[in-house]
Amino acid sequence: DVLMTQTPLSLSVTPGQPASISCKSSHNLLYSNGKTYVSWYLQRPGQSPQLLVYEVSNRFSGVADRFSGSGSGTDFTLKISRVETEDVGVYSCMQGLHLPYTFGQGTKLEIK
Amino acid sequence: EVQLVESGGGLAQPGGSLRLSCAASGFTFSGYWMHWVRQAPGKGLVWVSRVNPDGSGPVYADSVKGRFTISRDSAKNTLFLQMDSLRAEDTAVYFCARHYGDSVWGPFDIWGQGTMVTVSS
Repeated sequence: DVLMTQTPLSLSVTPGQPASISCKSSHNLLYSNGKTYVSWYLQRPGQSPQLLVYEVSNRFSGVADRFSGSGSGTDFTLKISRVETEDVGVYSCMQGLHLPYTFGQGTKLEIK
Repeated sequence: EVQLVESGGGLAQPGGSLRLSCAASGFTFSGYWMHWVRQAPGKGLVWVSRVNPDGSGPVYADSVKGRFTISRDSAKNTLFLQMDSLRAEDTAVYFCARHYGDSVWGPFDIWGQGTMVTVSS
């Protein structure tokens, strides 16, 4: 299985400050069509996950532009340019190129 | 409104069975791959199974292969997960999720609220 390793596992950020989460894959996630199948999700406390970013850097419909994804091959990053209180929750990366789909362990973001 | 609503969770004994349902509304259910994803208490997300838009080609995580069966009824806009030979380690919240995009490698854009399955004697 493809191992998705996230760092850090927890993050405490002051509102208005940036945040960054890393996700490293054990396998290259670039497909022959030129697309890389990594997505990011936010699970707010008590809620189901919601899609933030897909194919590394495409922001999903309705997602605030303070969220951005980047990376290639095996190294990926989710950045929040200015954290807001509503960004609290657990962020998870996921790869969809190889079965089984696999998620990172999750990064818990808290507000200072 | 696009929506997925799971039901059918509850308490089951080890070796027992449960059948989860996921009612879809607000979109053309028969046009999408669908998934089940689970989350054990305090743990991360784990993909369980996927089924093609036409109900063919089910695939499973190794941990549930041979014990769980995914299916769908497009007439009723409902996704199912038949869970047999349940084990304590199957205890989790089970989410159904809609696949996004026209490739099988895409993300999951719509998630249900989840249904809790507890396996215990």
